Amino acid sequence: GQQLNQSPQSMFIQEGEDVSMNCTSSSIFNTWLWYKQDPGEGPVLLIALYKAGELTSNGRLTAQFGITRKDSFLNISASIPSDVGIYFCAGPSSGSARQLTFGSGTQLTVLP
Amino acid sequence: DTGVSQDPRHKITKRGQNVTFRCDPISEHNRLYWYRQTLGQGPEFLTYFQNEAQLEKSRLLSDRFSAERPKGSFSTLEIQRTEQGDSAMYLCASSQRTGTTDTQYFGPGTRLTVL
Repeated sequence: GQQLNQSPQSMFIQEGEDVSMNCTSSSIFNTWLWYKQDPGEGPVLLIALYKAGELTSNGRLTAQFGITRKDSFLNISASIPSDVGIYFCAGPSSGSARQLTFGSGTQLTVLP
Repeated sequence: DTGVSQDPRHKITKRGQNVTFRCDPISEHNRLYWYRQTLGQGPEFLTYFQNEAQLEKSRLLSDRFSAERPKGSFSTLEIQRTEQGDSAMYLCASSQRTGTTDTQYFGPGTRLTVL
């Protein structure tokens, strides 16, 4: 089946630094979603991307839908302690648009 | 709070027991999904309802698992004869198609521990 490869697996950064993480696939996605998950909670949608080349911001977060439709990246500017968590990329499965395929996540730690 | 809610948030059970989880979707959403998430992994799709009809099931959903959405509102997920391998976070999501988008919003999950 489809797989989404996220990198890096984990990041340790200083408060105030910018962060970049990405997601790649061997197959085309028509939608890219970025979720954040805090410990013991469900994923919370951060940004949804629907068109190749689309660049969308949500506060300090910016995400882009790659031109090839096989990748996406998420940037966080001026990180703060509450940015700590696991960031997942996701997209509709090729078999069914209702089934989301998730990456394995990027664990972000923000050091004071 | 008008988000997706799930109950219970945590469940500890002994191997062989049956457990049932409940999900209440966002009120105007007609689509409801169940996912399972194990430690260190992203969520994996289990099943999907449109209104009361269960339209899609993953092969992850063994015969011991059954999901219902009897009136097209809340849903239940039952696991019979639980096994230690069933220990995971069970997530529910809901959506409502608007135009070309159909974004899934997740609940807080039910953490199942099978002893």
